[in-house]
Amino acid sequence: ILNVEQSPQSLHVQEGDSTNFTCSFPSSNFYALHWYRWETAKSPEALFVMTLNGDEKKKGRISATLNTKEGYSYLYIKGSQPEDSATYLCAFSRSNTGKLIFGQGTTLQVKP
Amino acid sequence: NAGVMQNPRHLVRRRGQEARLRCSPMKGHSHVYWYRQLPEEGLKFMVYLQKENIIDESGMPKERFSAEFPKEGPSILRIQQVVRGDSAAYFCASSQGQGEETQYFGPGTRLLVL
Repeated sequence: ILNVEQSPQSLHVQEGDSTNFTCSFPSSNFYALHWYRWETAKSPEALFVMTLNGDEKKKGRISATLNTKEGYSYLYIKGSQPEDSATYLCAFSRSNTGKLIFGQGTTLQVKP
Repeated sequence: NAGVMQNPRHLVRRRGQEARLRCSPMKGHSHVYWYRQLPEEGLKFMVYLQKENIIDESGMPKERFSAEFPKEGPSILRIQQVVRGDSAAYFCASSQGQGEETQYFGPGTRLLVL
């Protein structure tokens, strides 16, 4: 059984705070790690795809790192804004077939 | 470039009826994936298709569910003789290639079985 664990399950921060959350995945036979941002009633929006140990990706105030040897990825949001409120999903694949195994997500609420 | 399109957005069926869910991938994408989100659960992989081929159907229930991606037209997820437990949100994603390519998601079809 392949499990992708995300923590925390939910997070409440004040506007301007920086925050981070974790995605843990099986480190054996790793192929790729994806991060998505999912707002209610919308489609999951792709943020990053990472494949190499030590990868770091950045998109505006959001960045992510990858450690394939120990099986974790961090997502960082610098200076959170209310519009960052969403559920952040990570998904892992073990092969090049594209089958993604999703975590349960971290729901972020940013208070103005 | 239009994103991934799914229709209908909402579908209500009575037990025993058939449900057909359609997915049009992004232009230029030939890889389609279907995922299901049951109530209070996360997204679960169902099937991966390329044009006219099923590549990986390891997440599909053994009975009543089928998927196709014909040479022309959208990908179809078909559920025969629906039961209440089929009520879920069904998401389609598409990508240009496979493997580490980004999968772009559609808005989903919410199926309710009465």
